[in-house]
Amino acid sequence: NAGVTQTPKFQVLKTGQSMTLQCAQDMNHEYMSWYRQDPGMGLRLIHYSVGAGITDQGEVPNGYNVSRSTTEDFPLRLLSAAPSQTSVYFCASSYGHDSYEQYFGPGTRLTVT
Amino acid sequence: AQSVTQLDSQVPVFEEAPVELRCNYSSSVSVYLFWYVQYPNQGLQLLLKYLSGSTLVKGINGFEAEFNKSQTSFHLRKPSVHISDTAEYFCAVSDQALTFGKGTMLLVSP
Repeated sequence: NAGVTQTPKFQVLKTGQSMTLQCAQDMNHEYMSWYRQDPGMGLRLIHYSVGAGITDQGEVPNGYNVSRSTTEDFPLRLLSAAPSQTSVYFCASSYGHDSYEQYFGPGTRLTVT
Repeated sequence: AQSVTQLDSQVPVFEEAPVELRCNYSSSVSVYLFWYVQYPNQGLQLLLKYLSGSTLVKGINGFEAEFNKSQTSFHLRKPSVHISDTAEYFCAVSDQALTFGKGTMLLVSP
């Protein structure tokens, strides 16, 4: 049982490049979400999904796309990277979205130059 | 809309001293409250949660928190901290989505 895995661990992009951050979980969780963590800002929700085929926007969705074709995977796409997207990105999953514990991946540290 | 305020960005404390990390929340409906801990260069893990029932909630590593509805607070406490408790602590409230506070860095020194 690997829990929540994220790849890559580190990434450097140039402004305007696109890339996909991968997230997978093996706990059969319905709910998955993406957060970004910036110093002094806590974690802010980017997008979330309550099940395969269903996604919705969080607090800071601009510049990011998601899809959920399977229960296990929830990739986050940066369409055209900007320096403001330099951050640490965490994927999380849980059985549900309100009273349930969220399990976090180890994070992806992204730098956009 | 829900929100979380962690009143201290940093709390320095000596080893074996007690500590309280403060958290206030606002929400228009019944809430579920959480404390998560983040050790350096790691993801977050759950310390404890309040869903309903007893207002005093016990978590892992000797931490506990008290839900106070009238003061809309959910402060985290530990009677005696260790060096290994040095980490960032996040309070969170869940309604439609999980909303985090900005975090409190607990710095334990010998």
